Amino acid sequence: GESVGLHLPTLSVQEGDNSIINCAYSNSASDYFIWYKQESGKGPQFIIDIRSNMDKRQGQRVTVLLNKTVKHLSLQIAATQPGDSAVYFCAENGNTGNQFYFGTGTSLTVIP
Amino acid sequence: DAGVTQSPTHLIKTRGQQVTLRCSPKSGHDTVSWYQQALGQGPQFIFQYYEEEERQRGNFPDRFSGHQFPNYSSELNVNALLLGDSALYLCASTLAGVKKVDEQFFGPGTRLTVL
Repeated sequence: GESVGLHLPTLSVQEGDNSIINCAYSNSASDYFIWYKQESGKGPQFIIDIRSNMDKRQGQRVTVLLNKTVKHLSLQIAATQPGDSAVYFCAENGNTGNQFYFGTGTSLTVIP
Repeated sequence: DAGVTQSPTHLIKTRGQQVTLRCSPKSGHDTVSWYQQALGQGPQFIFQYYEEEERQRGNFPDRFSGHQFPNYSSELNVNALLLGDSALYLCASTLAGVKKVDEQFFGPGTRLTVL
């Protein structure tokens, strides 16, 4: 099956610094990707998505970069805030596009 | 605009029992997917319902079954519960395209504990 993995399981950053969370995916047929934020005891929250015909997409304080050549995604968070502390997942839509495959997540801790 | 809602929030069952979890999709969405999230893991796809039929299924046994109603809400049923079924069960909704889902939004989840 598909394999979506994250390079760093934990990440600690100082408040105000920028954060970069990385993700590798294995299915070259995936053409749609979503980054989710999950706080303790809550469901995943949609942050930003990107299609395979793009290599960069920006949202409010967040940017997603897609490198299809090496099957790599990254999520950049600008001016990280304490409220950004959570587990971040990337998800890909795989062969059929009807389901999403998630990695194990990266835990981001923001130090005040 | 109501988001995805799930009930109950928490549930405790014993081995061998059966459980039913419920989900109402985000307003305007017609496709519901169910995921199981074990502690410390990413969500794992169970199945997806569209037009009241199961459209896609992940690698879960037949003990896991579901249903979608005409109003697009959905139920997840698990029979003969095992200790390993303890997890956070997430419902996600989307507006279906021809084949591929888009902008999938999750509910808060139901925490199931099997004793």
